[in-house]
Amino acid sequence: DSGVTQTPKHLITATGQRVTLRCSPRSGDLSVYWYQQSLDQGLQFLIQYYNGEERAKGNILERFSAQQFPDLHSELNLSSLELGDSALYFCASSVGTRTYNEQFFGPGTRLTVL
Amino acid sequence: SQKIEQNSEALNIQEGKTATLTCNYTNYSPAYLQWYRQDPGRGPVFLLLIRENEKEKRKERLKVTFDTTLKQSLFHITASQPADSATYLCALSNNAGNMLTFGGGTRLMVKP
Repeated sequence: DSGVTQTPKHLITATGQRVTLRCSPRSGDLSVYWYQQSLDQGLQFLIQYYNGEERAKGNILERFSAQQFPDLHSELNLSSLELGDSALYFCASSVGTRTYNEQFFGPGTRLTVL
Repeated sequence: SQKIEQNSEALNIQEGKTATLTCNYTNYSPAYLQWYRQDPGRGPVFLLLIRENEKEKRKERLKVTFDTTLKQSLFHITASQPADSATYLCALSNNAGNMLTFGGGTRLMVKP
């Protein structure tokens, strides 16, 4: 158990809909990272927050947004969902802002868009 | 564009042998390279980090080498066990160190 929690575990929705994925980092970790993992694309970095502020952005679509709250939990919002958004979404946390800090991954949310 | 290549074919080895996995990269000058283990349907688990100025790093039965001239990292598991069966991912970050780029992973199967 990494100490990172993600809810929900599974999510099934229809195209065009909007969903919110939630992540609670390990106690003491200030950085939260979001990743998308699909069969054809592998594990792709989406976005990083550190202590409430956005720190780095990867291949995140404009339809996706995220935020980190004062209690350090984070939410990833996916809107106007398409079939291709079906994937595993992972949240990870680390102590600092740098990726040479070990990242602890949550169990993931499996999103299925029908 | 940046590219990280890991052998997409599964590596099958016999228990007790040494498993060697390869991570090659192009158009990248990473300052740090990490290896993660991922079991089916679960999140990756950090194994080792090696810096660009380090040639080799060891942790128990694991060994990682990093050759910035060849643009390659090798990941070794000695005395492999069936419990080592998993997908292994390499990940690179640059000096800014705020973004990890992952390879596609190599699936390792250790047969008893």
